Amino acid sequence: GAVVSQHPSWVICKSGTSVKIECRSLDFQATTMFWYRQFPKQSLMLMATSNEGSKATYEQGVEKDKFLINHASLTLSTLTVTSAHPEDSSFYICSASDEGGNQPQHFGDGTRLSIL
Amino acid sequence: AQSVTQPDIHITVSEGASLELRCNYSYGATPYLFWYVQSPGQGLQLLLKYFSGDTLVQGIKGFEAEFKRSQSSFNLRKPSVHWSDAAEYFCAVRGNEKLTFGTGTRLTIIP
Repeated sequence: GAVVSQHPSWVICKSGTSVKIECRSLDFQATTMFWYRQFPKQSLMLMATSNEGSKATYEQGVEKDKFLINHASLTLSTLTVTSAHPEDSSFYICSASDEGGNQPQHFGDGTRLSIL
Repeated sequence: AQSVTQPDIHITVSEGASLELRCNYSYGATPYLFWYVQSPGQGLQLLLKYFSGDTLVQGIKGFEAEFKRSQSSFNLRKPSVHWSDAAEYFCAVRGNEKLTFGTGTRLTIIP
């Protein structure tokens, strides 16, 4: 149980385009989803926290107009990298937790984003 | 503010040998602690978690971790490692729903 699916797993696109990454909880309802960014050989940096039906809460230093997050249902959150540039290239990982303060976060397999 | 320190960036262990990965945390209240494992290019898989109760927790793949409040530690152990254990290991503490990760320990297994 507690499977999180992230799609796509790898995307390469030209500078200036927008890229959408989907995060789905397959067998549970995710009241909260999280988006992380991971640079090579580094730890995960939390970008934002999204709760179903409300606006995402962004961490300090994360541009909310650059990284658009939508959590329209209890099983789906999307991250859109708008007008992507090479410096946005990174590994993006989502996680989800269901109701209950003691529930751990379950992670997707990540999306490798490469901007040319 | 919560924080996690993993003092060992890289550890090399022979297959079949025992393993201990260190984790120290800083958190004002009773911590919720986790160990995750990440294979290259993959997401994170939960190995085990500590919320309360027995301070020695058992996880998947033969891993265990011991919570020591007096030392603010949550070290991960395995009595005998397998080549498939080679990966990056992250310790994390949770406060206010947010996870704070350590910088990770890369585990290399040699024959």
